[in-house]
Amino acid sequence: QVQLQESGPGLVKPSETLSLTCTVSGGSISGNYWSWIRQPPGKGLEWIGYMYYGGGTTSNPSLKSRVTISIDTSKNQFSLKVSSVTAADTAVYYCARYDYSYYLFDYWGQGTLVTVSS
Amino acid sequence: DIQMTQSPSSLSASVGDRVTITCRASQSITTYLTWYQQRPGKAPNLLIYAASSLQSGVPSRFSGSGSGTDFTLTISSLQPEDFATYYCQQSHRTPWTFGQGTKVEVK
Repeated sequence: QVQLQESGPGLVKPSETLSLTCTVSGGSISGNYWSWIRQPPGKGLEWIGYMYYGGGTTSNPSLKSRVTISIDTSKNQFSLKVSSVTAADTAVYYCARYDYSYYLFDYWGQGTLVTVSS
Repeated sequence: DIQMTQSPSSLSASVGDRVTITCRASQSITTYLTWYQQRPGKAPNLLIYAASSLQSGVPSRFSGSGSGTDFTLTISSLQPEDFATYYCQQSHRTPWTFGQGTKVEVK
């Protein structure tokens, strides 16, 4: 059974960079697409972007060029960086596996709350 | 971006009720439509994919239908564990987008 676990600071100052890591267990990071999704408190879900283990990435234009997603196959981890954060970036951040055969998010992390505040 | 609009935003229902949630896309997404259930404080859980295919392990009281721009999630007989928020999501074109959610509450 594939499991995902997010980790990273729960508090980030405005204008700084948010950094999160997702550790994948119970399966290989290779051969799959890995994604980040966020949910502001009390609001809906927003897709941030995905990365294919081979290196291709696509991100949501709504975050402009502030997003970087990377993969470390040796550690079975993938990471998210969001630069120049504001209070609007406060959200629960989820990592998830995207199954491109059936076009769905099948495995999710439990989510981690990141608050942007000075 | 493809906009996904769910209706209603919330509904009140009783155990045993038949519940229907609608999702409309701003342009055709053929059947690239997935439904998720989210309980408070938990990650979303996959229910239906490709508009009408039931994910393994999901109770058969859940069903999905539709294609093009109009889709429906139906719960045939609401159970206590079904009180949650439901989201539709399109994978036709990036950026992938979600509906705003439909909260199913106890009547």
